[in-house]
Amino acid sequence: SQQGEEDPQALSIQEGENATMNCSYKTSINNLQWYRQNSGRGLVHLILIRSNEREKHSGRLRVTLDTSKKSSSLLITASRAADTASYFCALTHPIIQGAQKLVFGQGTRLTINP
Amino acid sequence: DGGITQSPKYLFRKEGQNVTLSCEQNLNHDAMYWYRQDPGQGLRLIYYSQIVNDFQKGDIAEGYSVSREKKESFPLTVTSAQKNPTAFYLCASRPTGGPSNTGELFFGEGSRLTVL
Repeated sequence: SQQGEEDPQALSIQEGENATMNCSYKTSINNLQWYRQNSGRGLVHLILIRSNEREKHSGRLRVTLDTSKKSSSLLITASRAADTASYFCALTHPIIQGAQKLVFGQGTRLTINP
Repeated sequence: DGGITQSPKYLFRKEGQNVTLSCEQNLNHDAMYWYRQDPGQGLRLIYYSQIVNDFQKGDIAEGYSVSREKKESFPLTVTSAQKNPTAFYLCASRPTGGPSNTGELFFGEGSRLTVL
């Protein structure tokens, strides 16, 4: 399968705690992206990490990529109730037939309890 | 403001009817995509278009059709041949080539189709 697999499928933590979500994949990638989706809304891009990068930060977000293990993690520090959403990893594979497709995983549903 | 507009937000359809979902973008993006999302699931690619007057089937194109007559517009028709059309449909766009090509997709707010 070309898609990533997120783990866990659901995560519930207390406000202020850190949340970690993982994404594993099986084939080579160009880059890996994380998106957020509030219930019933469109997806919003959070962060992109290229295959030659190991770690990136954006505000309270930290993404790591281990290409040898074919896995990535998204860490949200000091969680807030507003972080409650589904989080998806999306993979970009090497261009096939002139097109570059983004393949999404099943997502992790994160709930932050006040 | 620049963005992607999907309409309608909610749509009800009787079995056997075709419906068309609208997707318009004013971001000057070349590539546009249609995804389907079922409850609690990820996104599956229906069709995508890299350039005007050209489009390719995604992973679940059966029962759907698209057109790309203008750069700004990429409508999706859900035909009566689609066996289970009730779902949340998401349109997205992305620039291709040049320094603006970060690979990031910009999404609309989605259209929820229910077949009665």
